[in-house]
Parts: sequence; C-alpha cells; structure tokens
Amino acid sequence: DSGVTQTPKHLITATGQRVTLRCSPRSGDLSVYWYQQSLDQGLQFLIQYYNGEERAKGNILERFSAQQFPDLHSELNLSSLELGDSALYFCASSVVGETANEQFFGPGTRLTVL
Amino acid sequence: SQQGEEDPQALSIQEGENATMNCSYKTSINNLQWYRQNSGRGLVHLILIRSNEREKHSGRLRVTLDTSKKSSSLLITASRAADTASYFCATDTGRRALTFGSGTRLQVQP
Repeated sequence: DSGVTQTPKHLITATGQRVTLRCSPRSGDLSVYWYQQSLDQGLQFLIQYYNGEERAKGNILERFSAQQFPDLHSELNLSSLELGDSALYFCASSVVGETANEQFFGPGTRLTVL
Repeated sequence: SQQGEEDPQALSIQEGENATMNCSYKTSINNLQWYRQNSGRGLVHLILIRSNEREKHSGRLRVTLDTSKKSSSLLITASRAADTASYFCATDTGRRALTFGSGTRLQVQP
C-alpha cells in the first residue's frame, strides 16, 4: 500500500458526460501528479500540482482540468467524454515538487466510456 | 513519441533465471527511475539512478546507466514467480515530469 488513495476504483459512463476523479496523496506529500494509461498511448503525464498550485503540464486535453485543494487532495475533471478517454487514470504523490524524488502511485481509477 | 523505450517488449523466463531489460532514451536526463506494475495496479518505485552514477544495486536488482549511449538496463537476479509484472523506465529531464517508456512485460514461469 503506497498511502495514496484514489476514488472511485471503477467508473462507467457514456460519451458526452463529465466525471470527477479524486486523489488523496500520502501524508506529508505536497506534490500530486496525474497520469493516463491506455493501451495505445502508454503511460502519459497529464498535470502536476504542488501545494495547491499548478506546477507542470503534460499532454492534458482542454476538456480535462484538475485542481489541488488546501487539504492537498486533488481532483481531475474530465468532460465531454469520448470513447478514447477510456483508460486507467493514476495519481501519484511525492514529498517535493522535483522529480528527483520517487513518486508513489495510487491504485488507479479505471474509466470506461461507452 | 516516448522518451524511453524498453526492450524487449515481452520476456518469459523460468524461475531462478536472471531477467534483463533495457531502456533507451533520447534527451539528457537528471535521473532515471525504474517502476514495476502488477496487472492493472499502480506503479511501484524500484530504484533511482542519477545521471552521474553508473551502477546501483537494491536487493536482487541491479541497474546500470550509460549516459553516452543514453541507455539503462535493469537486471533482476534469481527471478521468482512474484516478479511477474510490467517494468517501466522513467526519465527525469528537468521538466518536473517523469516520462515513462512503453514497458517490458516479464513473465516468470514457476
């Protein structure tokens, strides 16, 4: 158990809908990262937050957004869902915002868009 | 395209044998990390090697890094059935985000 929690574990929804994925980092970790893992694209970095502020952006679509709250939990919002958004979404956390530190991954949320 | 590319894509060995997987990358790095992922689960950090290091050990794991060739290798000695998983290399290029390779699927037959 990494100490990172993600909810829900599974999510099934329809095209055009909007969902919110939630992540709680390890106690003491200030940095949260979101990744998308799909069969064709592999593991792709989406976005990073550090102590409430956006720190780095990767291949995140405009239909996706995220935020980190004062209690350091983070939410990833996916809207106008398409079939191709079906994937595993992982959250990871680390102590500081620099990638020299290892990242601790949550169990993931499996999103299925029908 | 991926910064890191693992080779082979899949590897099947017998318990007790050694498993070697390789990672090649394209740009300069600060460090390179290896992660393991059991089927459908989150990634687990295995080992981090900095750009000024050439070799690192952790238990049955041995990682080498050759920055001149932009490549790294992960060796798992005396493999066990429990080592069956996908293994990913991830590079830190200083952009505050790790870039993951496509992974090697390792199957250890009991």
